[in-house]
Amino acid sequence: DAKTTQPNSMESNEEEPVHLPCNHSTISGTDYIHWYRQLPSQGPEYVIHGLTSNVNNRMASLAIAEDRKSSTLILHRATLRDAAVYYCILRDIGVSGGYNKLIFGAGTRLAVHP
Amino acid sequence: NAGVMQNPRHLVRRRGQEARLRCSPMKGHSHVYWYRQLPEEGLKFMVYLQKENIIDESGMPKERFSAEFPKEGPSILRIQQVVRGDSAAYFCASSPSQGRGTDTQYFGPGTRLTVL
Repeated sequence: DAKTTQPNSMESNEEEPVHLPCNHSTISGTDYIHWYRQLPSQGPEYVIHGLTSNVNNRMASLAIAEDRKSSTLILHRATLRDAAVYYCILRDIGVSGGYNKLIFGAGTRLAVHP
Repeated sequence: NAGVMQNPRHLVRRRGQEARLRCSPMKGHSHVYWYRQLPEEGLKFMVYLQKENIIDESGMPKERFSAEFPKEGPSILRIQQVVRGDSAAYFCASSPSQGRGTDTQYFGPGTRLTVL
């Protein structure tokens, strides 16, 4: 599986934008980029995903580099509730199998200060 | 539409006992995944099941662990003869289809197993 690299931790102030980076230099053409987050003492929850184009939803935006070797999750206005561990995960849609499981790395622990 | 349900939320067992963890997927979902999160570590995939079939158990320990997803009822993760190293949070997720690159997995709140 292609691997992702994320900073261990980041900090932000409430109401400010947050840019969470992810490097995936070995990404293949059939890999989707997914982001999940895990709030304290909860199960992970889906945030957003994309393939090549930038994506927006009600939770966040995903900016994907033109060469797809990196991406950035953008929280436009951080709230205290956004304090969580954010995981960048690649998912292969190829037919080789194994695409069903999520491979979690260490993620980025985001702290949000009031 | 209820989310993924897991019970119990907390389970305490003594060494050597059996632990049974239950997962009810979201309505309409026929694919279930189990993940384990050891203290201060990331989540690790254990097993992927469809109704009555184990599709991928590459993350399951070879001994003492088993999983099933019967035609009727919840998915069960069973740990026999638990040891202290089994203490962890066990998360179940479900998806409506075959988990391809665009599919979302919906996670339950987890079962926190403590082995004394």
